[in-house]
Amino acid sequence: QKEVEQNSGPLSVPEGAIASLNCTYSDRGSQSFFWYRQYSGKSPELIMFIYSNGDKEDGRFTAQLNKASQYVSLLIRDSQPSDSATYLCAVKVDGNQFYFGTGTSLTVIP
Amino acid sequence: GAVVSQHPSRVICKSGTSVKIECRSLDFQATTMFWYRQFPKKSLMLMATSNEGSKATYEQGVEKDKFLINHASLTLSTLTVTSAHPEDSSFYICSASDVVRGYMNTEAFFGQGTRLTVV
Repeated sequence: QKEVEQNSGPLSVPEGAIASLNCTYSDRGSQSFFWYRQYSGKSPELIMFIYSNGDKEDGRFTAQLNKASQYVSLLIRDSQPSDSATYLCAVKVDGNQFYFGTGTSLTVIP
Repeated sequence: GAVVSQHPSRVICKSGTSVKIECRSLDFQATTMFWYRQFPKKSLMLMATSNEGSKATYEQGVEKDKFLINHASLTLSTLTVTSAHPEDSSFYICSASDVVRGYMNTEAFFGQGTRLTVV
């Protein structure tokens, strides 16, 4: 298994705050990076992807990628209770295979 | 977005029996599908890559004789858990990518998952 590391949490933030989720990966050949959200007992659902260095914004979500540091992060602005879930970082390598981190559990406190 | 359908969503079976799980891509062709398992409060673990028309590629530590994968068409892959034991109880999820859309930004679409309980 390729190594994809995430802090398992739990991470708790108050409603309206910024939640910051971090991920590091071991394979320098990794080409694209995805953030998924998973509610308990459900399949993961895509939040956003990034494959170029820098920031990518989509609504309240911003993904940040630094290939030199092998680091990708997800910022959630104006956190809502409905954002409470496990967030999975996924790395795509050759062959279209995805490798997932252990996930970070986020709780947004009303 | 693309749809991946997985069936059944839940199954309970007796030890020693076999269980087949189906994964279908409903509106795109998937030459490659992936099978994952997930234990409670753990992340997804890639079990194998299912290749249409050829043998599956298994990750290290996954028993190919126990987890049989068949990818007979561009829209269907099956995972059969043979001689199931209680320790095989887990959440199994398949995924596929619509590679026609492009490589870099092609997300993995997930099936709904199958909760397997072996008693």
